[in-house]
Amino acid sequence: ETGVTQSPTHLIKTRGQQVTLRCSSQSGHNTVSWYQQALGQGPQFIFQYYREEENGRGNFPPRFSGLQFPNYSSELNVNALELDDSALYLCASSLRQGASNEQFFGPGTRLTVL
Amino acid sequence: AQTVTQSQPEMSVQEAETVTLSCTYDTSESDYYLFWYKQPPSRQMILVIRQEAYKQQNATENRFSVNFQKAAKSFSLKISDSQLGDAAMYFCAYGGRRTYKYIFGTGTRLKVLA
Repeated sequence: ETGVTQSPTHLIKTRGQQVTLRCSSQSGHNTVSWYQQALGQGPQFIFQYYREEENGRGNFPPRFSGLQFPNYSSELNVNALELDDSALYLCASSLRQGASNEQFFGPGTRLTVL
Repeated sequence: AQTVTQSQPEMSVQEAETVTLSCTYDTSESDYYLFWYKQPPSRQMILVIRQEAYKQQNATENRFSVNFQKAAKSFSLKISDSQLGDAAMYFCAYGGRRTYKYIFGTGTRLKVLA
């Protein structure tokens, strides 16, 4: 069974640019969540996708957007990058939607905005 | 809004000894789940233990157990017979049954001394 994978591992962008981060869910999982983890902090929920539809969102502006594909892989897009967007971005998949279900996390993508 | 508080930024324990990590939370919901996640230096978050709020019995997983005090909104993690591999960041997290996100605490860094 393949676990959750994310790409790329590291990324450096400049302020104002756009970035796309990718996530492959664990086999059989139809739900994916994205989190932002700033240095020294706990993960902050960005949004969750279930069967290609966004079904929950945290306190993040619209320039954070996502997609989930029929194979349940997912993308996180961030437009107009700001310095504060520098963080570790975590993807997590689960068998079903809802916070009660165990989430399996990927290793993350470290984004640095200069 | 739900909150999760971890008041111990860092803890140390001697190998083979027992350590307790604290977590308090606040919620108006009655049906929810609580989690402890471990994030080793390699970054991949791993579920350690899960507690369902409507279950009186404290969850245990091998050397890991919780002390769940629902009325006090307290959820501590006890690690017995600590091992060097237990060294990591530990995050307490809350998930409401009907919500689509986790709320994470700020984490406790556990050091295990040989």
